[in-house]
Amino acid sequence: GEKVEQHESTLSVREGDSAVINCTYTDTASSYFPWYKQEAGKSLHFVIDIRSNVDRKQSQRLTVLLDKKAKRFSLHITATQPEDSAIYFCAGGSSGNKLIFGIGTLLSVKP
Amino acid sequence: GALVYQYPRRTICKSGTSMRMECQAVGFQATSVAWYRQSPQKTFELIALSTVNSAIKYEQNFTQEKFPISHPNLSFSSMTVLNAYLEDRGLYLCGAREGEYEQYFGPGTRLTVL
Repeated sequence: GEKVEQHESTLSVREGDSAVINCTYTDTASSYFPWYKQEAGKSLHFVIDIRSNVDRKQSQRLTVLLDKKAKRFSLHITATQPEDSAIYFCAGGSSGNKLIFGIGTLLSVKP
Repeated sequence: GALVYQYPRRTICKSGTSMRMECQAVGFQATSVAWYRQSPQKTFELIALSTVNSAIKYEQNFTQEKFPISHPNLSFSSMTVLNAYLEDRGLYLCGAREGEYEQYFGPGTRLTVL
């Protein structure tokens, strides 16, 4: 079946540094790639997304890159802050269809 | 704005009993509603997806007999976990989709089974 693999299970950075989380997907029909953040004991919070008609999207300190040929997408966080610490989930899906989630990356930003 | 409410936020039930949870989309016209489960230390698994004018589609490992879903309209959905056991514990998320892509998630119902 379709899979979304998240390559970093944990990631630790120092405050102010950049963090990159990488994901790959198997379903060539995937056209929508959202990222979510989950803080301890809480639900999913939407972070940013990208659609397959572009290969880059930026929102303030967040940038998502999409390489359709390699079926790979990544989340880049610049100038990290302690409050960025959380579990980040990547997901992939297509129009009107289900989302398949990655396993999650625990990001720790140390002061 | 678009919001998804879920009730209850937390619940505890005895092993072998059943538990019903509700989901309501407010502020937008949902085109589909999906129920996901996050088991402890795991990612989110799709249980079932309801789309306008289509029957509810359950994923492998999840059945209507175990997780019956009722949705009088796509703004309101309820799901019951029948005969809950330890492996059913986790965070149950309802996601309502607006348009083709954007999916809004509720805060979840956290189920503990004793």
